[in-house]
Amino acid sequence: EDKVVQSPLSLVVHEGDTVTLNCSYEVTNFRSLLWYKQEKKAPTFLFMLTSSGIEKKSGRLSSILDKKELFSILNITATQTGDSAVYLCAVPSFHNAGNMLTFGGGTRLMVKP
Amino acid sequence: DSGVTQTPKHLITATGQRVTLRCSPRSGDLSVYWYQQSLDQGLQFLIQYYNGEERAKGNILERFSAQQFPDLHSELNLSSLELGDSALYFCASSPRQGEGADTQYFGPGTRLTVL
Repeated sequence: EDKVVQSPLSLVVHEGDTVTLNCSYEVTNFRSLLWYKQEKKAPTFLFMLTSSGIEKKSGRLSSILDKKELFSILNITATQTGDSAVYLCAVPSFHNAGNMLTFGGGTRLMVKP
Repeated sequence: DSGVTQTPKHLITATGQRVTLRCSPRSGDLSVYWYQQSLDQGLQFLIQYYNGEERAKGNILERFSAQQFPDLHSELNLSSLELGDSALYFCASSPRQGEGADTQYFGPGTRLTVL
């Protein structure tokens, strides 16, 4: 069974701080790893990572994958209150004749002004 | 806005009742996925449909069923509801099967409360 573990469980920082969120995984046939941001309701897609060592960037957010050590990190620099959310990591896998995502438990980030 | 729509936003019902949740995928997406998110279980995969056919089944209870219609919208039916079924139910869609379908786009969810 595929497994995704995220750490820390929660984090409280002040605006302007830099944070690093961790995601480790065990999956039978690795294809990719996805990061989502969940504010009040729907998880919003951030990144999909498939190759080791290649950083994906979007503004102040960046993410990198290490396929040898089976983990990924999500960095947020110069945090803002709008970054407060639950960040979810997920791995896709083939299941029966289709697909599914296995999610980690999430990291709850709170950014204080 | 992901382009995935779900109705209703909120649903309050009693134990033993039956409800139907509705989802319309992004334009052009053929796959629809249903997930349940409760406080103690996190986001759990329930079921996937691709172009009208069931393709993958997760930890979905026998009291729950789903279908995808010719216009690609999907419905999740929950029956004989119990208190423990109270949760957020998300629908997600992706364009096609296989590796290109890895990115799933989530709808706003339906919050179900069973009293």
